[in-house]
Amino acid sequence: NAGVTQTPKFQVLKTGQSMTLQCAQDMNHEYMSWYRQDPGMGLRLIHYSVGAGITDQGEVPNGYNVSRSTTEDFPLRLLSAAPSQTSVYFCASSGTSGGRWETQYFGPGTRLLVL
Amino acid sequence: GESVGLHLPTLSVQEGDNSIINCAYSNSASDYFIWYKQESGKGPQFIIDIRSNMDKRQGQRVTVLLNKTVKHLSLQIAATQPGDSAVYFCAENIMDSSYKLIFGSGTRLLVRP
Repeated sequence: NAGVTQTPKFQVLKTGQSMTLQCAQDMNHEYMSWYRQDPGMGLRLIHYSVGAGITDQGEVPNGYNVSRSTTEDFPLRLLSAAPSQTSVYFCASSGTSGGRWETQYFGPGTRLLVL
Repeated sequence: GESVGLHLPTLSVQEGDNSIINCAYSNSASDYFIWYKQESGKGPQFIIDIRSNMDKRQGQRVTVLLNKTVKHLSLQIAATQPGDSAVYFCAENIMDSSYKLIFGSGTRLLVRP
């Protein structure tokens, strides 16, 4: 299993540009999520999904859109990039055991710089 | 809002000593807690977790202690090694259908040779 994969690893955008950060997992996990991590800080939840066709907002959703058309993929879209979105973005996924969510496993991250 | 915080931003220990990283949480409804290790340039790596029906859980060289009375979580690393140098995060979750992890700001562990 590859686990959780993210592409690209690094991206530079100009203010106002749009792009999609890709996330995929091959563990058949129902739960997927996106976090951002700013320097010296913990991770903050952007959006999450508890299954295909279901998404919801996290702590910092403004400026980001998500969709979950398949169990495997959970792309994050920036419609109009802003310098405040410069950050490292992590995708995570989790399965269930006994009706409870298990721990979340993280991808390697995407470093985004918005000029 | 509810938050998870850490008492010490940086912890320096001698190789071979035991390390203790502390975390305070504020949401009394949280009943699932996770410790992650993050090395430079990498994603968080799962270390150990604990549910609120437990006070202690042990893994390989690591132990997590949960004190619900004072809402305190700690990670103990036995015989700390240079490879343990990283930033450690605690995270809490209210075990409902939404499964939203709230992370602390992290503690950097430095292991002196």
